[in-house]
Amino acid sequence: QSVLTQPPSASGTPGQRVTISCSGSSSNIGSNTVNWYQQLPGTAPKLLIYSNNQRPSGVPDRFSGSKSGTSASLAISGLQSEDEADYYCAAWDDSLRWVFGGGTKLTVL
Amino acid sequence: QVTLKESGPVLVKPTETLTLTCTVSGFSLSNARMGVSWIRQPPGKALEWLAHIFSNDEKSYSTSLKSRLTISKDTSKSQVVLTMTNMDPVDTATYYCARLYCGGDCYWDYWGQGTLVTVSS
Repeated sequence: QSVLTQPPSASGTPGQRVTISCSGSSSNIGSNTVNWYQQLPGTAPKLLIYSNNQRPSGVPDRFSGSKSGTSASLAISGLQSEDEADYYCAAWDDSLRWVFGGGTKLTVL
Repeated sequence: QVTLKESGPVLVKPTETLTLTCTVSGFSLSNARMGVSWIRQPPGKALEWLAHIFSNDEKSYSTSLKSRLTISKDTSKSQVVLTMTNMDPVDTATYYCARLYCGGDCYWDYWGQGTLVTVSS
């Protein structure tokens, strides 16, 4: 049972916009920033979004993040087949631990 | 170029102690803005944070695993070591080390490739 709640799956067709939600509490998302990671099949996770809405160098601007209260969202616009992956949100919790979401498997139809 | 590489046994027996080493390059473990975390992922399951250590030797551990974990570093060797005692088959997972960059907010910006550890007799 993950501390942060994500939908287990999401899907979209090429070119579509999809969003993935991440719900937490006042001790994690409510008081700290959210990071998002993309994990392609058989590979290590990769930083996708940090500090709620910042993209590392090299991450396409099709990916964007937002946060409101105790929830955060990852949006992917112009969906491409190579976006098919697992996506995880993570945040620091004030109980002195990092917490993850359970992951969302994105399927490009 | 920042890289992290995990090493350790691929198979351990129940009740044994697991020792994993993360060897880093491209940055120093003495850098105040940076630490190293261990994160694991059981097959087909979600990521789980285990522990982290910073340059000043500040450490944090997963609440549920704290009694079994020890993290340490050897700055001169650019290595971070994680030990986990009393291994159980449920500890079978891919273990990743990742650089924890803290320039205000903190996030894992570089990850190792991971090492699969199987716990079985």
